[in-house]
Amino acid sequence: AIRITQSPSSLSAFIGDRVTITCRASQDISSSLAWYQQKPGKAPKLLIYAASTLQRGVPSRFSGSGSGTDFTLTISSLQSEDLATYSCQQYFNSWTFGQGTKVEI
Amino acid sequence: EVQLVDSGGGLIQPGGSLRLSCTASGFIFSNYAMSWVRQGPGKGLEWVSAISETGTDTYYADSVKGRFTISRDNSKNTLYLQMNSLRAEDTAAYYCVKESLGHNYGDNWGQGTLVIVSS
Repeated sequence: AIRITQSPSSLSAFIGDRVTITCRASQDISSSLAWYQQKPGKAPKLLIYAASTLQRGVPSRFSGSGSGTDFTLTISSLQSEDLATYSCQQYFNSWTFGQGTKVEI
Repeated sequence: EVQLVDSGGGLIQPGGSLRLSCTASGFIFSNYAMSWVRQGPGKGLEWVSAISETGTDTYYADSVKGRFTISRDNSKNTLYLQMNSLRAEDTAAYYCVKESLGHNYGDNWGQGTLVIVSS
């Protein structure tokens, strides 16, 4: 099974800060990686797929990069509504999720 | 607008059974593969099971294989998860997920239904 290691597990940042979250896959998954945002008590929401493609309606301050085994989610200017847990998912072979990164403002 | 409404969760004793349902609307249900994903208290997301568009092909995580059964009724736009021999470690919020067409990521999620396995 493909394992995903996500870091950090939590972070605290100020409004306007640039925030970066990383995921590393245990094997080459090409660009088969998605990022989700989950607000407290809510279901996950798709932000990015194919490692770097922004889902329709997602603010442009969110971006994704990477391929192969190393991937990054960046929030260019953190907003108060970005308080959430962010998880990556590989879909190259079945589905595996990272453990999540809790972003606090 | 795509809508997925999860239901059927509740409090159940270890060894018991429960059937979850996910009612879909806003898209042609029979054209899409579907999955169940769960999230234990304070834990990350865990894929549980998937089913092809027609229901012919089904897939399971090792942790639930032999105990859970995924199925669908395309005439009713409904996805099911039959859960038998439930264990305390099955306690989680269960989400149904619509897979994207032609790809394999989840582009829409239900609101989740909570399953608590406890005596």
